[in-house]
Amino acid sequence: KQEVTQIPAALSVPEGENLVLNCSFTDSAIYNLQWFRQDPGKGLTSLLLIQSSQREQTSGRLNASLDKSSGRSTLYIAASQPGDSATYLCAVTGGYQKVTFGTGTKLQVIP
Amino acid sequence: NAGVTQTPKFQVLKTGQSMTLQCAQDMNHEYMSWYRQDPGMGLRLIHYSVGAGITDQGEVPNGYNVSRSTTEDFPLRLLSAAPSQTSVYFCASSYSTSLVGTGELFFGEGSRLTVL
Repeated sequence: KQEVTQIPAALSVPEGENLVLNCSFTDSAIYNLQWFRQDPGKGLTSLLLIQSSQREQTSGRLNASLDKSSGRSTLYIAASQPGDSATYLCAVTGGYQKVTFGTGTKLQVIP
Repeated sequence: NAGVTQTPKFQVLKTGQSMTLQCAQDMNHEYMSWYRQDPGMGLRLIHYSVGAGITDQGEVPNGYNVSRSTTEDFPLRLLSAAPSQTSVYFCASSYSTSLVGTGELFFGEGSRLTVL
């Protein structure tokens, strides 16, 4: 059974700081890994999707990496802003198209 | 485009009642799925579908039923509601191929269900 872990569960940083969020998974037989953002009371918004054959994806101030063999992914946020405050979740798609989510990292960026 | 639309947004049920959460997407996505989100548990997959007429169970399927008669719609039925089914339910869709699995997942805004 695939298990996805995100550490830390919560993170508080001052505005402008660069930060890294971590995601680890137990079964490396995945199709892809996605990072999402969730604002309170809202649905999830996809940030980046990395196919299993890729090593990283970039979108603006966000960069996600994937090391499938070690079961790890990181989400790098450059020059953090208060608007980045949200919960960030990672999810992996494995066999039979099943998607497994981590429990998320709650990020607070302090002005 | 409306994307993924879930109804209702809020619902209160009594134990033993049945109801259907509706999910519709207008992106012609083959893959649709239902999750429940509970504090400290993350999102857990209930049921999913890779195309019309094809459904399969996820991690927590008990007490829920699904069918997929059209590409656009994927309703989730609670057969006999229990307090343990109090949760926020999310529907998601994406394109899907056997080569790359699911693509980018698009989520609805969620349906908040309380069972008394």
